[in-house]
Parts: sequence; structure tokens; C-alpha cells
Amino acid sequence: DGGITQSPKYLFRKEGQNVTLSCEQNLNHDAMYWYRQDPGQGLRLIYYSQIVNDFQKGDIAEGYSVSREKKESFPLTVTSAQKNPTAFYLCASSSYTGELFFGEGSRLTVL
Amino acid sequence: DAKTTQPPSMDCAEGRAANLPCNHSTISGNEYVYWYRQIHSQGPQYIIHGLKNNETNEMASLIITEDRKSSTLILPHATLRDTAVYYCIVRVRNRDDKIIFGKGTRLHILP
Repeated sequence: DGGITQSPKYLFRKEGQNVTLSCEQNLNHDAMYWYRQDPGQGLRLIYYSQIVNDFQKGDIAEGYSVSREKKESFPLTVTSAQKNPTAFYLCASSSYTGELFFGEGSRLTVL
Repeated sequence: DAKTTQPPSMDCAEGRAANLPCNHSTISGNEYVYWYRQIHSQGPQYIIHGLKNNETNEMASLIITEDRKSSTLILPHATLRDTAVYYCIVRVRNRDDKIIFGKGTRLHILP
């Protein structure tokens, strides 16, 4: 079935380590998005990509990096520069009719 | 900033219609209204969208005011499984730029 696959579902990181969250889609969508969600809060946009080899910063890009080398993949790296990385991370892609399809999320905990 | 405002929480009795309001007073002529819901610790799920006409699908109905400055999502017969956070966003349908979510409405279905 088509959809968005995020991995890992749970991730633990020591302070000072970089970690990469995977996001893969087989929906043939051009646009992909990364959001961060803190407990009891809404979704905040980290980065988005409208097409391969291009991406733009969202509202909270500091301490994060992305790449878009393939249409199907949009990995997010949480760097050591992100001061408070513990959060729930959601990846999405956009259909041509504008609906967003979300993955099941990755929960990152810094120990 | 989000272009929509929603009440932070609402209650609805099981079996009754749940009416969730959304204000989008600065909506542009080519922006659609989209609704999503997020069950705890899962990725948001698309519900419905519309431009200016009322829309209905198997999940819900969407009523958009004539001036398009507000809309209401209607869940006709709420069940306990409808307990979730509901997000209303506006976006241009075929333009993949920043998509900003607000904090949504936490809907509690009361048995």
C-alpha cells in the first residue's frame, strides 16, 4: 500500500550526538514536510521540500538539517546544535489535490 | 503564524453531532480549507477540504460561510473514537509552500 514510512519509531540520543530520522514515501508526491510536536502543542514546521534537490526552512529550522536527493526520501538530521530536541517528529507529503499524508511519527528522547 | 484560530477544547456527548468551528478571516480567494485530526501519538489524518461550497464525505461535513471567513466541521454522530485533536488549515491547493498548523481543538466525546 502507498504511504509514508518513518523510522525509527522511538529513538534515544545522548546529548551532543547527531541523529537522523528517516522518511520515505511511495506516493509519487513532489512536496514533503517535517514537523515537530511537543506535548500538548500543535505542529511546528521545521523544513519543507517542493522538489528534489531543493528545500526551504520552516519556522523552527535552527539545529536541524535535511536533504532531498531522491523524490521518495526526505531525511531529517537533528544536530547537536538543537538545544531541546526531545519531541515527536512528523513527516508528511502533499498530494496534487492538497491533502497531506502523514507518517506515524518518530519520538526522540535525549538522555 | 497560523492563519486559522480554533477553540482549544470542546466537549460533545456521544451520539450527538460535534460542530467544530474555525476562523480564517484572512483567507485568500485561492486558498482551500482543510481539516485533519490527530489521535493521541499518531500522525494526523486528513478528513475533508473545501473552497466555498459545502462538502460531505463518509467521515464528516464541512460548512463554509458565504464570506469564507469561517467554517465548521461537523461529525454527525460522534463516537468515543472521535476523541482527538482537530486541526483546520488553509492553503493553496496546488502550491507546495509553507503549511502552518495552529494548536487545533481538542475534542472530548463524553459517554
